[in-house]
Amino acid sequence: DSGVTQTPKHLITATGQRVTLRCSPRSGDLSVYWYQQSLDQGLQFLIQYYNGEERAKGNILERFSAQQFPDLHSELNLSSLELGDSALYFCASSVALAGGGETQYFGPGTRLLVL
Amino acid sequence: AQSVTQLGSHVSVSEGALVLLRCNYSSSVPPYLFWYVQYPNQGLQLLLKYTTGATLVKGINGFEAEFKKSETSFHLTKPSAHMSDAAEYFCAVSDRSGTYKYIFGTGTRLKVLA
Repeated sequence: DSGVTQTPKHLITATGQRVTLRCSPRSGDLSVYWYQQSLDQGLQFLIQYYNGEERAKGNILERFSAQQFPDLHSELNLSSLELGDSALYFCASSVALAGGGETQYFGPGTRLLVL
Repeated sequence: AQSVTQLGSHVSVSEGALVLLRCNYSSSVPPYLFWYVQYPNQGLQLLLKYTTGATLVKGINGFEAEFKKSETSFHLTKPSAHMSDAAEYFCAVSDRSGTYKYIFGTGTRLKVLA
């Protein structure tokens, strides 16, 4: 158990809908990262937040957005869902922003299925 | 742009045999280097990482990796494979310039044969 929690574990929805994925980092971790894992794209970095502020962006679509709240939990919002958005979405957290060398602790993921 | 390549999407070894999973990076400045393992239906778990100092890094579960700057490589090894090592392994890099982006390789699925 990494200490990172994600809800829900599974999510089934229809095209065009909007969903919110939630992540609670390990106690004391200030950085939260979101990743998308799919068979065709592999593990793709989406976005990183540090203490409430966005710090890095990866291959995140404009239909996707995220935020980190004062209690440090984070939400990833996916809108206008398409079939291709079906994937496993991981959240990870790390203690600090130490120039990129810090260890990331991954949650168990949310499996999203868009029908 | 920084990239990481894992040679071999599937690797099979016999139980007790040497495990060698390859990872090469492309970066003008050596990045931070990581190996993560993903067991079925689970998140990723850090095996080991190289940030600075000794180039031979020891991790959990008997794995180790050696950073070779001249070869831009960070291959993962384990002297003797166990059935429990069957999983997917990901090499990842993060640059030292402070962009805080992590790039993962495409993964290598390790199969251990009895």
